[in-house]
Amino acid sequence: AQSVTQLGSHVSVSEGALVLLRCNYSSSVPPYLFWYVQYPNQGLQLLLKYTSAATLVKGINGFEAEFKKSETSFHLTKPSAHMSDAAEYFCAVSEGSNFGNEKLTFGTGTRLTIIP
Amino acid sequence: EAQVTQNPRYLITVTGKKLTVTCSQNMNHEYMSWYRQDPGLGLRQIYYSMNVEVTDKGDVPEGYKVSRKEKRNFPLILESPSPNQTSLYFCASRPGALKSYEQYFGPGTRLTVT
Repeated sequence: AQSVTQLGSHVSVSEGALVLLRCNYSSSVPPYLFWYVQYPNQGLQLLLKYTSAATLVKGINGFEAEFKKSETSFHLTKPSAHMSDAAEYFCAVSEGSNFGNEKLTFGTGTRLTIIP
Repeated sequence: EAQVTQNPRYLITVTGKKLTVTCSQNMNHEYMSWYRQDPGLGLRQIYYSMNVEVTDKGDVPEGYKVSRKEKRNFPLILESPSPNQTSLYFCASRPGALKSYEQYFGPGTRLTVT
């Protein structure tokens, strides 16, 4: 069975500071991993994804994440926070091998607040 | 513009009154799915569809029905809504059968059942 744990339901950082949002997963097979962002009153938008290619994945808006198999982690980072980054962020896992078990499992989300 | 649309965006209804939330995508995607989002629980999958006439249960299917008669549409049906179905609902679609592709989400439908 697959699952996702996001540590910290709320994270606050100052504008210009490093953003670090944590995600740990469990999966019985190599996973596909995704980070989505949800702005207020909007649907989810893909930030980046890991699909067994490069372990360091770059996404939109300056975000990146590193897949660490030994730590079962896929933490999201951004070197310098911007006010427009304020949103809720979701990590999601889908078991690898492209067929079978169609479940996409989401974490409980992390609300990011940027302090001016 | 490529998009997933949902209607209505907001709905307040009473217990037991049947309702349908529509979902449509214009990207010719085979895969479509419904999720509900609740505070502290993230998004949970209700049902998904791999293609026309092919649907299957997700994690929380109780109290919901779906149908996929056309590729572009995937309505969510609540035959007898109850207050515990008050939630924010998202429809999503994905191109083809490959799980490595990301899902594209609609704007959400906020449902309140009194």
